[in-house]
Amino acid sequence: EPEVTQTPSHQVTQMGQEVILRCVPISNHLYFYWYRQILGQKVEFLVSFYNNEISEKSEIFDDQFSVERPDGSNFTLKIRSTKLEDSAMYFCASSPNRDRNEKLFFGSGTQLSVL
Amino acid sequence: RKEVEQDPGPFNVPEGATVAFNCTYSNSASQSFFWYRQDCRKEPKLLMSVYSSGNEDGRFTAQLNRASQYISLLIRDSKLSDSATYLCVAYNNNDMRFGAGTRLTVKP
Repeated sequence: EPEVTQTPSHQVTQMGQEVILRCVPISNHLYFYWYRQILGQKVEFLVSFYNNEISEKSEIFDDQFSVERPDGSNFTLKIRSTKLEDSAMYFCASSPNRDRNEKLFFGSGTQLSVL
Repeated sequence: RKEVEQDPGPFNVPEGATVAFNCTYSNSASQSFFWYRQDCRKEPKLLMSVYSSGNEDGRFTAQLNRASQYISLLIRDSKLSDSATYLCVAYNNNDMRFGAGTRLTVKP
């Protein structure tokens, strides 16, 4: 089965540094998402992206966050100046369309640790 | 109020038991619903969609009650491999809202 791939699997950074988390969605999918999960807490929606622009974003997705699809395959999440509370597992997901019954395919996540 | 609320558990059951999880959602405009399964420190994986008429997939049965804004998942004849966290999900306007999950441990 096709997969969403994420790199790196683990990222350690110093507070205040910029990080870029990378995702390669499934090739024929059109909708892309970022979620995060702080250890022991629920999966939280960050942002959805379609047609090279943000469709929806949550209150978590503030000015420190940005997303980009720089080419036909990659989908990135940038955190400009990381804070300790940004430490979490970040999941990328994609879906073929916006059908409300369409499942999301998740990548295996990037564990971000901010020191 | 949490958008999607679940009993966190844990539920500890013996193999072969039947176990039921419940979930409530606060946004009446939510359009569709799902159960995802998440193993420890892994990504969520879709278990099944939830339809108003109720749906069954092998040992798993999901029900939706829109009037009460309530979703359930029933697992029959539970297996050791069913041990995981079960996430209730409500979909609205291109974003999915996850519950905090219910932890299930199936013991021999």
